[in-house]
Amino acid sequence: GDSVTQMEGPVTLSEEAFLTINCTYTATGYPSLFWYVQYPGEGLQLLLKATKADDKGSNKGFEATYRKETTSFHLEKGSVQVSDSAVYFCALIKYSSASKIIFGSGTRLSIRP
Amino acid sequence: GAGVSQTPSNKVTEKGKYVELRCDPISGHTALYWYRQSLGQGPEFLIYFQGTGAADDSGLPNDRFFAVRPEGSVSTLKIQRTERGDSAVYLCASSFGESSYNEQFFGPGTRLTVL
Repeated sequence: GDSVTQMEGPVTLSEEAFLTINCTYTATGYPSLFWYVQYPGEGLQLLLKATKADDKGSNKGFEATYRKETTSFHLEKGSVQVSDSAVYFCALIKYSSASKIIFGSGTRLSIRP
Repeated sequence: GAGVSQTPSNKVTEKGKYVELRCDPISGHTALYWYRQSLGQGPEFLIYFQGTGAADDSGLPNDRFFAVRPEGSVSTLKIQRTERGDSAVYLCASSFGESSYNEQFFGPGTRLTVL
């Protein structure tokens, strides 16, 4: 079945470090891909998305490119801040399904000042 | 405007008891979803409503779980004969329409603890 596999955490970085969180997916057809973020004490929020191959989603300095050939959607940020500390979820949705989102297991990111 | 709200925020119950979890979607959103997030895991789909009807309930784990949305707005997730393994955060989301293109907006969740 369809699934998402992402880098296990926790990931701890110093402020201004470069961030990569790996994500790969398995799905038939042409899914849309997402990164969601869950800040401490808050609900899930959509961070960015890409709906077709080679699309780049970006928001708040984060970027991810939909790579069909490697079935990947890695999250990157050039210079992280303490405020980026959160749990990040890679996810997919398929146009043919009843709109259910399939999530990865999440990666906890902690940024040291 | 107001986002998705869920009540209660926390629920502690004893094994074997019945619980109800409520979700108030964003006004005007016709689609409503329930997910369950176990500790250290990503959310898992439970059920999807389009209007009043359950369009997809394939994620409900067994017949102890049931959800309703009688007027096409508020939804209630009902769990009978709770078990310790039901302990999780139950998330509700809503979207404008059923298309996969429409963003799902998530509520803060209800943390259910079964003792």
